[in-house]
Amino acid sequence: GENVEQHPSTLSVQEGDSAVIKCTYSDSASNYFPWYKQELGKRPQLIIDIRSNVGEKKDQRIAVTLNKTAKHFSLHITETQPEDSAVYFCAASIRGGTASKLTFGTGTRLQVTL
Amino acid sequence: DGGITQSPKYLFRKEGQNVTLSCEQNLNHDAMYWYRQDPGQGLRLIYYSQIVNDFQKGDIAEGYSVSREKKESFPLTVTSAQKNPTAFYLCASIWAGGTGELFFGEGSRLTVL
Repeated sequence: GENVEQHPSTLSVQEGDSAVIKCTYSDSASNYFPWYKQELGKRPQLIIDIRSNVGEKKDQRIAVTLNKTAKHFSLHITETQPEDSAVYFCAASIRGGTASKLTFGTGTRLQVTL
Repeated sequence: DGGITQSPKYLFRKEGQNVTLSCEQNLNHDAMYWYRQDPGQGLRLIYYSQIVNDFQKGDIAEGYSVSREKKESFPLTVTSAQKNPTAFYLCASIWAGGTGELFFGEGSRLTVL
């Protein structure tokens, strides 16, 4: 089955700096790569996703890049703010079947300090 | 207000007891999932169901059971066979014809005493 590795497990940045979280996946058939943000005590929520037919996607201060050849994808957050502090999960799945079976990474705890 | 409702939010259980966690959604989503969340281990898939009366094991199904008698409901039973049941359990659903976004419930925290 799919295996997703995520690094680092914790990340501390100063407000205004950039943060990068990296993930690798094992199944070359995976074609959908979402990122979820989980604030303390809350449910995970989708913040951005990318499909294997594109290499990069941006949404304001958040961007995701995908390298299919190397089987890795990354989340980039620019101009970090205190409200970006949360746990971030990457995931991978094969879309197109009757249901997605997402495999998650182990999470990165991002702390944005003032 | 559409969404996924999990209950109870907190649950305490004695060793050897079975416990059932409820998950109800009114989003008309086809597929439903149960994930277990432990510190440092991310979200691990327990069971998932694509349609009513059908479900598949995930990566850590041992010691758990589910049913899908209604589209809206996907209860999870943590049996006494689960060796380390203390965890945070998240239910999620997805619309098969949608973008792929998983919608999560608020979770149930199970503590075995």
